[in-house]
Amino acid sequence: QKEVEQNSGPLSVPEGAIASLNCTYSDRGSQSFFWYRQYSGKSPELIMSIYSNGDKEDGRFTAQLNKASQYVSLLIRDSQPSDSATYLCAVNEGGGFKTIFGAGTRLFVKA
Amino acid sequence: NAGVTQTPKFRILKIGQSMTLQCTQDMNHNYMYWYRQDPGMGLKLIYYSVGAGITDKGEVPNGYNVSRSTTEDFPLRLELAAPSQTSVYFCASSYSSVGRSNYGYTFGSGTRLTVV
Repeated sequence: QKEVEQNSGPLSVPEGAIASLNCTYSDRGSQSFFWYRQYSGKSPELIMSIYSNGDKEDGRFTAQLNKASQYVSLLIRDSQPSDSATYLCAVNEGGGFKTIFGAGTRLFVKA
Repeated sequence: NAGVTQTPKFRILKIGQSMTLQCTQDMNHNYMYWYRQDPGMGLKLIYYSVGAGITDKGEVPNGYNVSRSTTEDFPLRLELAAPSQTSVYFCASSYSSVGRSNYGYTFGSGTRLTVV
């Protein structure tokens, strides 16, 4: 069974700090990796995608990928109370069409 | 541009009843998916489709059925509803290309289903 593991949290950070969210995956053949944000009672929203080893930055968000360690992370700089949500790590099956989701990490940003 | 539209948003079913969850997308995405999300759990794939006329089972297909007659529509049918099917259901679509099978999903707003 291919798996995506995340710490469920909650992760609590003060406003303005860096929030660091981590994810590990079991499928060594995976090539596509995603982070989704889900507010309570809402649907997931794609915020970052990453396909190559290294860092990818988009505004206050940085995704990091290390395929050798099967590890994906998301950094949120200058965290805002509006960033409080559940963050889902998602990994595409190697060579396939299906995406496997982690259970999510709940983030609280305290004003 | 509406994206992915799901109906209904809420529904209460009695045990043994049947219903269809509707999903339509206007982005010309070839891939479409149905997931369910239980409290504290990740999204579990029910069925997916890579194009009109092509569907396949995901991780938790029992008790469900799908069809894909057009690129736009991907309805999910629940037959003989059971309490275990109480969940939030999300439809999603994605674009793919020759070089990459998935650029990330666009989700619908979800259907909250309760079976009593």
